[in-house]
Amino acid sequence: NAGVTQTPKFQVLKTGQSMTLQCAQDMNHEYMSWYRQDPGMGLRLIHYSVGAGITDQGEVPNGYNVSRSTTEDFPLRLLSAAPSQTSVYFCASRRASGGGELFFGEGSRLTVL
Amino acid sequence: AQSVAQPEDQVNVAEGNPLTVKCTYSVSGNPYLFWYVQYPNRGLQFLLKYITGDNLVKGSYGFEAEFNKSQTSFHLKKPSALVSDSALYFCAVRDMPMDSNYQLIWGAGTKLIIKP
Repeated sequence: NAGVTQTPKFQVLKTGQSMTLQCAQDMNHEYMSWYRQDPGMGLRLIHYSVGAGITDQGEVPNGYNVSRSTTEDFPLRLLSAAPSQTSVYFCASRRASGGGELFFGEGSRLTVL
Repeated sequence: AQSVAQPEDQVNVAEGNPLTVKCTYSVSGNPYLFWYVQYPNRGLQFLLKYITGDNLVKGSYGFEAEFNKSQTSFHLKKPSALVSDSALYFCAVRDMPMDSNYQLIWGAGTKLIIKP
């Protein structure tokens, strides 16, 4: 059982470049989300989705786009990378209801030069 | 506003001693509370949760947490610490308990260091 799979694990970008972080889950979870983790700031929600075709903004959405065309996949797009987007990014999923806990991917470490 | 506080950035415990990682919360209504652990260079893993019922919740790896409504706390505990327990621990509370579109509100994390 793979759970939540994120790719790539590491990426270095130059300012202004674009890229997509991939996230896939095989648990048939309705809810998927993207967080960024920065030292001393805990986890901050970027975007989330409660089902295919439905996305919404979290706490820090600027500079990021998402889409949810299937239940399994929830890619995060950086449109024009900035050094402030240097961070570790986590994708997480859960069932939509029932107090379900979040399942996290292993993270993607992004450095923007 | 709903919030979670982890008052200690770091907790140091000798191996074999009991450990406590503190968490306090502020929510409207009945809280749903969670603890997660993050080992170095890994994603977060669910440890345990409180929704309702017994105030003492048991979770993975021998951890337990005590829900105290009067003190609005949900401290994580373990009777005997292991060096392998060294990690970053996050407390979280769920907002909008009756809404399936809920989000988790996260504490800043507490680094637990267990010394041999």
